[in-house]
Amino acid sequence: AQKITQTQPGMFVQEKEAVTLDCTYDTSDPSYGLFWYKQPSSGEMIFLIYQGSYDQQNATEGRYSLNFQKARKSANLVISASQLGDSAMYFCAMREGEGSNYKLTFGKGTLLTVNP
Amino acid sequence: EPEVTQTPSHQVTQMGQEVILRCVPISNHLYFYWYRQILGQKVEFLVSFYNNEISEKSEIFDDQFSVERPDGSNFTLKIRSTKLEDSAMYFCASSKEQGKNTEAFFGQGTRLTVV
Repeated sequence: AQKITQTQPGMFVQEKEAVTLDCTYDTSDPSYGLFWYKQPSSGEMIFLIYQGSYDQQNATEGRYSLNFQKARKSANLVISASQLGDSAMYFCAMREGEGSNYKLTFGKGTLLTVNP
Repeated sequence: EPEVTQTPSHQVTQMGQEVILRCVPISNHLYFYWYRQILGQKVEFLVSFYNNEISEKSEIFDDQFSVERPDGSNFTLKIRSTKLEDSAMYFCASSKEQGKNTEAFFGQGTRLTVV
């Protein structure tokens, strides 16, 4: 079974509008961390936002926020006021378990295109 | 702002040749990782490294792969005899601490093309 599922291969949004990128995860570990990374066409991986499984509040970082619904095992990324520079691949990732050395397990990604 | 740097940014090599991908992690980080991304696919974990030894490796990381931290600053990934299917983007990452809430900082990647 996939540990991280991103069901949207591609998303389109108009500049200045908000967009939600979906991520669901699968783990039996009560303690885990969820991350979103952005990968522009240049290829680098840029950390955006983190949510811990025990965090009471949804994480926010500037225009990025994480809609964390623990019971549904979802951690959707919300980008407000989209900009042309937001066009990129977005990956959801998870760290879980003891003794796993905290490696990240990634989803397949969502390609976001922001239209002017 | 400190960053992870990788060299080269792009390497083309003949099948069967050895390649060494180089990484300079962030200076006060202690945990180091290599990930691989085959074109159009998701990022996959290869290996983690701490205290001068491998902490964990995936099934991808077979005997053809090795890692080394030769001088306290560089962190290298060696592929002894490259295969066509080793063509991918290779990312180095580092973390300051070990923990589920610690983000990994990634380098810009090395695109390896095996011909």
